Amino acid sequence: GAVVSQHPSRVICKSGTSVKIECRSLDFQATTMFWYRQFPKQSLMLMATSNEGSKATYEQGVEKDKFLINHASLTLSTLTVTSAHPEDSSFYICSARATTGRSSNQPQHFGDGTRLSIL
Amino acid sequence: AQKITQTQPGMFVQEKEAVTLDCTYDTSDPSYGLFWYKQPSSGEMIFLIYQGSYDQQNATEGRYSLNFQKARKSANLVISASQLGDSAMYFCAMREGLNSGNTPLVFGKGTRLSVIA
Repeated sequence: GAVVSQHPSRVICKSGTSVKIECRSLDFQATTMFWYRQFPKQSLMLMATSNEGSKATYEQGVEKDKFLINHASLTLSTLTVTSAHPEDSSFYICSARATTGRSSNQPQHFGDGTRLSIL
Repeated sequence: AQKITQTQPGMFVQEKEAVTLDCTYDTSDPSYGLFWYKQPSSGEMIFLIYQGSYDQQNATEGRYSLNFQKARKSANLVISASQLGDSAMYFCAMREGLNSGNTPLVFGKGTRLSVIA
């Protein structure tokens, strides 16, 4: 089935570091990818919609300059957490849906997530 | 207003028994899709089942079935013959405007299912 690869799976770094997370659709093209954030024992909260070749659409309350999204190709979107601080520690998970064929019943496929810990 | 409501923070079920996880939704869009995902402790999101707003029959996928009651705006997940490996968080999600290519899934708060031997 369709697979989304997310890398790295875990990051531990010092405060002030910038961290890049990659999300790749392995066997399908995705003009749109989604980035979610999940705090422990909570639901997935949409951060932004990543559009290939154009600017990402951010949800209210998400800092654009803090969470930089680049969607340079139909199979790759990246999320960069700039100057990360402890409060940015969370589980980040990307998602994509195939853009070809009937879209109505296409599930969003998720990467395995990135656990980010800022010390 | 919350679009997806899951009222059961946690559920317990005996192994081999069936369990129903509740989900209600709110939308004014006539075209939408409802999804259930399973998230084990490792974190990955596993797609289980889908129900479209225009689907006439309830969706089924193996041991999973969806009790879709459109007038009540509910889409409960039924897991039959529970197994220990079913212990996980379960999320109900909705996508509105199915003809639009880039609408995201919106998730409920989830239900933690624990299967007891």
